[in-house]
Amino acid sequence: AQSVTQPDIHITVSEGASLELRCNYSYGATPYLFWYVQSPGQGLQLLLKYFSGDTLVQGIKGFEAEFKRSQSSFNLRKPSVHWSDAAEYFCAVVPRLGAGSYQLTFGKGTKLSVIP
Amino acid sequence: DTGVSQNPRHKITKRGQNVTFRCDPISEHNRLYWYRQTLGQGPEFLTYFQNEAQLEKSRLLSDRFSAERPKGSFSTLEIQRTEQGDSAMYLCATRTGFSYEQYFGPGTRLTVT
Repeated sequence: AQSVTQPDIHITVSEGASLELRCNYSYGATPYLFWYVQSPGQGLQLLLKYFSGDTLVQGIKGFEAEFKRSQSSFNLRKPSVHWSDAAEYFCAVVPRLGAGSYQLTFGKGTKLSVIP
Repeated sequence: DTGVSQNPRHKITKRGQNVTFRCDPISEHNRLYWYRQTLGQGPEFLTYFQNEAQLEKSRLLSDRFSAERPKGSFSTLEIQRTEQGDSAMYLCATRTGFSYEQYFGPGTRLTVT
C-alpha cells in the first residue's frame, strides 16, 4: 500500500545542535516530495519540495533535504537548530503518476522540541 | 501568512448543530483542497475543487459534509448534525494549475461539545 512514514514521533535537541528528521515513502514511482512545518494551532508552511534534478534541495529557514531513491527517503536536515524551530514537521507526497486531484498524503509528523 | 485565509479560526458548537467554514484562496489559485487534521495526526484529504467544480471527494466526507466553491473563488465547508468525532482542525489549501505545491490557510479549529 502507498504510504508515508515518519519513524520518529518526538525528537528533542539542544539549541545549536544539528537536526535530521526522517521520512520514508512507499510508492511505485517516486512521488513529488514535500516538507511542511506547523507551529501550535497554526496552518502548515511549506519548507521545501523535490520534483526532480539535484537530490539535495534547499528550503526556507536554513533547512535542506536529501532525496535518496535507493532508500525511498527524503530526510530533512538543519545544521544548527534555533529555539524558534520547535514545531511539528510533516513529510508529504503527491503521486507522480495518473490524473486526479494531486492531493497531498502526509506522514503522522515529528514533533521537535528544542532545549535552550 | 500564505495569503490563504480561513474563517472562523475557532468554532465551538454543540452536538447536532450545523457549522460552516469559509476559505478564501490566493487570487490566482484555481485549485482548492480541504483537509482534516485530528490530534497527533497529519492532515487527511477531504475534497478537491478545480475552479467551481468539485472533482474528488474522500470516503472521509460523509453525507453530513458538503462543500461548495461558487464562481471558483471562495469555498465553504458545511457540516450538518455535528458529532463529537468531527472535532478537528479543518485546513484549506490552494495551488495554481502549474505547480503541485499547496499553500495552507491557518485552519479552523472545531470543537463539538
